[in-house]
Amino acid sequence: AQKVTQAQTEISVVEKEDVTLDCVYETRDTTYYLFWYKQPPSGELVFLIRRNSFDEQNEISGRYSWNFQKSTSSFNFTITASQVVDSAVYFCALIRTSGTYKYIFGTGTRLKVLA
Amino acid sequence: DSGVTQTPKHLITATGQRVTLRCSPRSGDLSVYWYQQSLDQGLQFLIQYYNGEERAKGNILERFSAQQFPDLHSELNLSSLELGDSALYFCASGDLQETQYFGPGTRLLVL
Repeated sequence: AQKVTQAQTEISVVEKEDVTLDCVYETRDTTYYLFWYKQPPSGELVFLIRRNSFDEQNEISGRYSWNFQKSTSSFNFTITASQVVDSAVYFCALIRTSGTYKYIFGTGTRLKVLA
Repeated sequence: DSGVTQTPKHLITATGQRVTLRCSPRSGDLSVYWYQQSLDQGLQFLIQYYNGEERAKGNILERFSAQQFPDLHSELNLSSLELGDSALYFCASGDLQETQYFGPGTRLLVL
């Protein structure tokens, strides 16, 4: 069975601190996609990154970076020098594209960045 | 702005009623997905359509149904509404790499 675990329900940091959001997934498939989405207080879900299961290269986009490790089934997200505008709920998701399609989202991590 | 539109933005109705939520995907996307987000259940995948055909089904109740029309817009029909159906309903459209772009959502309140 497929599963996505975001064990951190809520994290509070002070502005300019670095913060890492954890995502652990379970799947027996060899082909899958992993995603991160941001849901700010306005409610809309914003796409941040997609990774396919064959691409373990880490990625950096500005203050955001992602670490994908198949050996530990983790796809962690780090925000460097956090800002108040980063306050949101962040969701990790696993999408299975072989056989029966499945779309599984984690329960989300609420990040509060304090000024 | 993701390019996905959803109407209405808010909907208030009574138990036992039926409502229809509408979604227009981004230009060029053939896939439409529906999700329900409630406080206690998180983000739950309901159903996916690809170019008019149902492709995947998640935790969609029998009281709920959806379809995708030839112009690729989609509708989610919720009937015999219960208090527990109150939630935020998202539509997303997808590209060939399965990236989903979400609309602003429809907030449904069943009284």
